Amino acid sequence: DAGVTQSPTHLIKTRGQQVTLRCSPISGHKSVSWYQQVLGQGPQFIFQYYEKEERGRGNFPDRFSARQFPNYSSELNVNALLLGDSALYLCASSSGGGGYTFGSGTRLTVV
Amino acid sequence: GENVEQHPSTLSVQEGDSAVIKCTYSDSASNYFPWYKQELGKGPQLIIDIRSNVGEKKDQRIAVTLNKTAKHFSLHITETQPEDSAVYFCAASNAQNYGQNFVFGPGTRLSVLP
Repeated sequence: DAGVTQSPTHLIKTRGQQVTLRCSPISGHKSVSWYQQVLGQGPQFIFQYYEKEERGRGNFPDRFSARQFPNYSSELNVNALLLGDSALYLCASSSGGGGYTFGSGTRLTVV
Repeated sequence: GENVEQHPSTLSVQEGDSAVIKCTYSDSASNYFPWYKQELGKGPQLIIDIRSNVGEKKDQRIAVTLNKTAKHFSLHITETQPEDSAVYFCAASNAQNYGQNFVFGPGTRLSVLP
C-alpha cells in the first residue's frame, strides 16, 4: 500500500514568491494535517482537515492557507514567502482520532 | 495551550543497553500520546502510542508509560541496536470530534554505539 505521498520533495523559492505543496493521504484516510519542521526542532502544527472541513489551525500567519479536495488530497499554500519559511513541510494522514502517518515531507528553501 | 517538554536532548548508549526518554505535558485535557522516530531525510514514523485510559503499553523492545497525575510519559527502549539511532519525538494531543493536532516535544537524538 502506498503511504502518504508529498510533492515536490525539494524546491527553492525567492522571497516574496508563492508556493503550493501537495499531499495524497493513505487510501481510506479522511483526515490530513500539515506541519512545519524547522531544522533541529519538533514539527509545528499548521492545519488539520477532516472530510474537507478545517478542524484546526495552528499559530501561523494568514499567508498560510490550505484546502482538502473531494478525494481527500490536500494542498498547502504559502504566499509572500519569507526566509523564515524555509523548513521541512510534513503532511500526515489518519483515519480519524488516532495515530497519524507522516509523509517524507517537502524541503522548502527560501532565498 | 499545550506545552510539551522532552529530556534529554541527546542520549548516547552502548549497544544492548536500555534508553529512556521522558516528556512532560501541561494540558490535563490531552488524551493521546504518540512517539515518533525520525531518521535523516525522512518523515517521522509512529513507533508506539498510548491513550490516557492506559498506564503502560509494550511492543517488543519498546514500551511507553503514562502518569496522568504528574502529567508525564516516558519511552523505554531495551536491548538497543545501532538501527535505533535516530531522533525521537514525543507528542500530546486532545482528540475531539475528529479534530486533532499534535504538540511535539523538541526531540531527543539517540545514538547507539556499537
